[in-house]
This record gives sequence, structure tokens and C-alpha cells, in this order.
Amino acid sequence: QLQLQESGPGLVKPSETLSLTCTVSGGSISSSSYYWGWIRQPPGKGLEWIGSIYYSGSTYYNPSLKSRVTISVDTSKNQFSLKLSSVTAADTAVYYCATLTPRSCFDYWGQGTLVTVSS
Amino acid sequence: QSVLTQPPSVSGAPGQRVTISCTGSSSNIGAGYDVHWYQQLPGTAPKLLIYGNSNRPSGVPDRFSGSKSGTSASLAISGLQAEDEADYYCQSYDSSLSGSVFGGGTKLTVL
Repeated sequence: QLQLQESGPGLVKPSETLSLTCTVSGGSISSSSYYWGWIRQPPGKGLEWIGSIYYSGSTYYNPSLKSRVTISVDTSKNQFSLKLSSVTAADTAVYYCATLTPRSCFDYWGQGTLVTVSS
Repeated sequence: QSVLTQPPSVSGAPGQRVTISCTGSSSNIGAGYDVHWYQQLPGTAPKLLIYGNSNRPSGVPDRFSGSKSGTSASLAISGLQAEDEADYYCQSYDSSLSGSVFGGGTKLTVL
């Protein structure tokens, strides 16, 4: 059973870069069965797909965030990471990492981590 | 404004049946892409409830069912129980955005 765990700072200053890591256990991030994705949820609001990555490094980003997002994978650590630059208060959200199947559904989710953008 | 449109809220009494709609367009649901549904209990991560329009992952009760037709999809919950009170989200792939899209979510209240 795959398990995912997000980690990173819970507070980021405006204009700085948000950095989160998702550690995968119970399976290999190099598996051809999955893409690996990031989704966020502002407080009291709905879900927003941020982007996804394949173990080979191929990436797919939400066009609305593409200019500020970088997702990378570290197969040696069984981790993938999210960087979101030039953050504002609008980027305050719970950030989830998840597995993305070939049928394009997110079947395993991390517990989520709240990132607040504030000075 | 979400790419997929859901009603903000639905409600029903215990034992009743409710449906939640998810309306898309020709670049997502109407293009033949699968629709998936998630249940989010308060304070928890979303959980995959229905995948591939109508398939239930192991452990999901058969009270939950999904369907798709044209540019829309629906989630039906029969025999409502108090523990079904949650937010429900639909999700699909959108070819014009080249990525995943979610509905705005529907809050289910069990009266």
C-alpha cells in the first residue's frame, strides 16, 4: 500500500518561494504505473490541480500556475518536490501530494500540509 | 470558476437517495475522458470514491454509484447515512488545458 507524506515550511513570506517535498513509501517512485501530482485547496475552497510528473522527469503544469511552478523527482530518495515562486496570500492553502493513475484519477493521497503566506 | 460545474450543496434524510451532478464540456467529459469522484470528510484528505465513471475502489460501499452521459456525470448515494456527510468533488482530464480539472465541490448534508 502506497503512503505519501508532505513536508516543508508551514509559513512562507510574500514574494518568496514555497518548497514542499512528498516522500513515497510502500512502493517505488520509479514505477511505471503512476504519475505523481500536487493538488492544493485554499481554506474553505475547492481542489486545484497544480501539476504532475513522471519518474522520467516529464512534467505537466496547470496553465494558470505554469510560470511559477517547478515539480521535480528524486528517484534516489523516493521523493518528488514542488516549488512555487513569487507567492502571495492567494497561495495560502493545504497542499496535497497524490498518485495519478493512467486513467487520470488520484488514488493515493498524502494527509496534506497547510502553507500560509504571510509576512 | 471551476471547469466542471457541481451544485454547491445537496441534502437528504437518512435512508434516502441523492444525486450530485457534474457538468463539463467538449474538451473534458464530452471528449470521452473518464470522470472520477472523491469524498472529503471534514479535516481530511480527499478519498477516491469512484474512478473511470462508474467503478468503485475496494472498500467503497455499493451505496455509491457513478454514471456518465454526454458532457455530464452523476454520483448517486443511496441509503444515506450520517457518515456520508462530506464534500464531494468530480474530476476529469481537459484536453485544452492538458491537465486535470476538478469541480467546485458539493457539500452533502444528511438531515
